[in-house]
Amino acid sequence: AQSVTQPDIHITVSEGASLELRCNYSYGATPYLFWYVQSPGQGLQLLLKYFSGDTLVQGIKGFEAEFKRSQSSFNLRKPSVHWSDAAEYFCAPNFGNEKLTFGTGTRLTIIP
Amino acid sequence: DVKVTQSSRYLVKRTGEKVFLECVQDMDHENMFWYRQDPGLGLRLIYFSYDVKMKEKGDIPEGYSVSREKKERFSLILESASTNQTSMYLCASSFLELFNEQFFGPGTRLTVL
Repeated sequence: AQSVTQPDIHITVSEGASLELRCNYSYGATPYLFWYVQSPGQGLQLLLKYFSGDTLVQGIKGFEAEFKRSQSSFNLRKPSVHWSDAAEYFCAPNFGNEKLTFGTGTRLTIIP
Repeated sequence: DVKVTQSSRYLVKRTGEKVFLECVQDMDHENMFWYRQDPGLGLRLIYFSYDVKMKEKGDIPEGYSVSREKKERFSLILESASTNQTSMYLCASSFLELFNEQFFGPGTRLTVL
């Protein structure tokens, strides 16, 4: 069965610290992979996406993600977080149809 | 810029009322989607449409219907609202190809009393 897991419900990091948000999927092939961010009271905005090729992809707001086929993972990273990065983050694979399957999200809190 | 607009940011309805949520996109996208978002559950797909008058059930269609009479507009209908339909509703649109991102509206927070 196709599924996506975001193991961390809530993460707290200090401003300026590095960040890694985890995303794992279960699928018989490589899905199209997306990361979205939802700021408080807002809709979702695309951070980055992966289809093929270079397994390290760059996105907006200084985020990057690395696709690891052997681990079925697509983790999101940022070297140094800013207070404005406080939001909820969703990993969303496309398993070969019109739909995205969203993870349950990781809420990020930034402390000064 | 792509724009997806939703008719209301906040809505309060009573149990048993018929509720219409409207979504409009201005980028000539073929696909349109309705999701509901609940804490701890992420986004769950209710219905989507890949063309005018076409619709497909998502993961949780029970209690909902949709209408797409024009390409730019996709409506979600709660025929008889119930308290368990209190939620955040998000509309999205995209081009037809699978690798295209979905663009989201700001959401409608619906409360059913």
